[in-house]
Amino acid sequence: GQQLNQSPQSMFIQEGEDVSMNCTSSSIFNTWLWYKQDPGEGPVLLIALYKAGELTSNGRLTAQFGITRKDSFLNISASIPSDVGIYFCAGPYNTNAGKSTFGDGTTLTVKP
Amino acid sequence: EAQVTQNPRYLITVTGKKLTVTCSQNMNHEYMSWYRQDPGLGLRQIYYSMNVEVTDKGDVPEGYKVSRKEKRNFPLILESPSPNQTSLYFCASTRQGPSSSYNSPLHFGNGTRLTVT
Repeated sequence: GQQLNQSPQSMFIQEGEDVSMNCTSSSIFNTWLWYKQDPGEGPVLLIALYKAGELTSNGRLTAQFGITRKDSFLNISASIPSDVGIYFCAGPYNTNAGKSTFGDGTTLTVKP
Repeated sequence: EAQVTQNPRYLITVTGKKLTVTCSQNMNHEYMSWYRQDPGLGLRQIYYSMNVEVTDKGDVPEGYKVSRKEKRNFPLILESPSPNQTSLYFCASTRQGPSSSYNSPLHFGNGTRLTVT
């Protein structure tokens, strides 16, 4: 089945710093989805990308759908303590007959 | 409010005692799915359902059962729980768009933390 490699696995940063994480896939995607999981909660959608080359922002978050359709990155600018959590990339569930696949997540810790 | 509701939030049980975790969504979504989350292993799919009476195995289905008798409900059943099923479980749903465009984002419940002793 499809595999997603997400990196880095964890990040420890100072408040105010910028953050960058990325995902690569073993297969071509028509959609990239980025989710955030706050401690004790379920994942929530941050950004959805539907077109190769697309660059989309949501406040301090920016995500891009790679031109090769096999990668995506998520940037967070000027991090704040509430950015703490686990960030997941995911592909669409149509590429594997209904199964959905997630990256292993990037755990972000922000020191005030 | 549009939501996916799981119950219970926390459950401690003993090996072999059958249990059911319920999941209900009020968004009329066709697609529903169960995941388990373990440290260092991310979210792994257990079972999914494309519509009523249609279910299929995900990546880690062993030891689990599901049913989809109604569109809104997708319970997860552990017939004989074992300690290796101690985990954080999430139910999720999404609409299935026209022309088989299966790329809509998932809506997750708040999780069920299961401990099997």
